[in-house]
Amino acid sequence: KAGVTQTPRYLIKTRGQQVTLSCSPISGHRSVSWYQQTPGQGLQFLFEYFSETQRNKGNFPGRFSGRQFSNSRSEMNVSTLELGDSALYLCASSLGSGGDYGYTFGSGTRLTVV
Amino acid sequence: GDSVTQMEGPVTLSEEAFLTINCTYTATGYPSLFWYVQYPGEGLQLLLKATKADDKGSNKGFEATYRKETTSFHLEKGSVQVSDSAVYFCALSENGADGLTFGKGTHLIIQP
Repeated sequence: KAGVTQTPRYLIKTRGQQVTLSCSPISGHRSVSWYQQTPGQGLQFLFEYFSETQRNKGNFPGRFSGRQFSNSRSEMNVSTLELGDSALYLCASSLGSGGDYGYTFGSGTRLTVV
Repeated sequence: GDSVTQMEGPVTLSEEAFLTINCTYTATGYPSLFWYVQYPGEGLQLLLKATKADDKGSNKGFEATYRKETTSFHLEKGSVQVSDSAVYFCALSENGADGLTFGKGTHLIIQP
């Protein structure tokens, strides 16, 4: 079956712009979570959605937001981009919300802010 | 808050050597524990997991045992191959809604 699909794979944006990243989970998975990966901070949890509801959010400013649609697809949006937002953004899907289900990750979207 | 500590490396070994990557954690409850692997230019792949104390996760020759008494989940493999070269992340999930808490990752290099 198809894995977690993230689009686009690569993105270059200018400071001050906004960006929207997309994630299509594995069919049947209802939970989608987002992570930011940088060389300095490592992997950091952004937020998790389950059945269209945001369950929790990590320690990120309000410029980072997301949503989940009824088909479980998710988008995350970053407004007023800063140079420090350059990172690999990873999406993970799970059958349910909780560690016992395990998480399957996509290949990520590499965002470069110039 | 929860945290995961692992050696960052790089760890360089010869092919067929024995591998141990240490991982210790801090959590308020009883988390599920994971090892993920990341190959260059790719996302994370789940390598193995354990959901309760004394559970042993295993996959592709890798093993890790959930040790509650030492709050550890060390990754081991008896004989590594060049294809095992990658970055390995230890992670925990205490409350699914809070997502995964990751260690910094250990860069493993296997030389032929």
